Amino acid sequence: DTGVSQDPRHKITKRGQNVTFRCDPISEHNRLYWYRQTLGQGPEFLTYFQNEAQLEKSRLLSDRFSAERPKGSFSTLEIQRTEQGDSAMYLCASSLDGFVTQYFGPGTRLLVL
Amino acid sequence: KQEVTQIPAALSVPEGENLVLNCSFTDSAIYNLQWFRQDPGKGLTSLLLIQSSQREQTSGRLNASLDKSSGRSTLYIAASQPGDSATYLCAVADYNNDMRFGAGTRLTVKP
Repeated sequence: DTGVSQDPRHKITKRGQNVTFRCDPISEHNRLYWYRQTLGQGPEFLTYFQNEAQLEKSRLLSDRFSAERPKGSFSTLEIQRTEQGDSAMYLCASSLDGFVTQYFGPGTRLLVL
Repeated sequence: KQEVTQIPAALSVPEGENLVLNCSFTDSAIYNLQWFRQDPGKGLTSLLLIQSSQREQTSGRLNASLDKSSGRSTLYIAASQPGDSATYLCAVADYNNDMRFGAGTRLTVKP
């Protein structure tokens, strides 16, 4: 068990480009969460999966954002036509079912120029 | 909508001091409350989780209390060390497992 991993750790892109992030949860965890954290703020919930099903999406997740967890294991978060306001740390967490401790990955820091 | 507030936003103390971090929330209908630690540029590490039926949890030098009726939690750190320097985040989960975070308290412990 190596914990939650995220790739890449850092991404710099130009406005208008598409980016994709990957999250590998702890292997037996069936729940996977995505959060966004801007400087000086706490994480804000974006979406979560129970196995491969996406059960909830925040209003923060505009049409430019899409998340998948095709086989109930790893997940990807794609941002299309990036904007400068998308610059943030994107955190992934996993848990075994709900209402228990979520284990967080190291995050992917995105900078949109 | 649940609002979570953490005071102070930043705190600097000399090594060895005992300190208290505060967290308040507006909706008392919570399922649990967690305290996390975040080092600069890193992810979050869960420190303590308090279920809504509990009053406190302890782990080593850390003690977290919960007063659901008043919408408050405190994180007490005893005998602070420079290695405790980090941002401490409070998060509350409701019965839909919607977790809301405070903005954090940035703690600096000076040697």
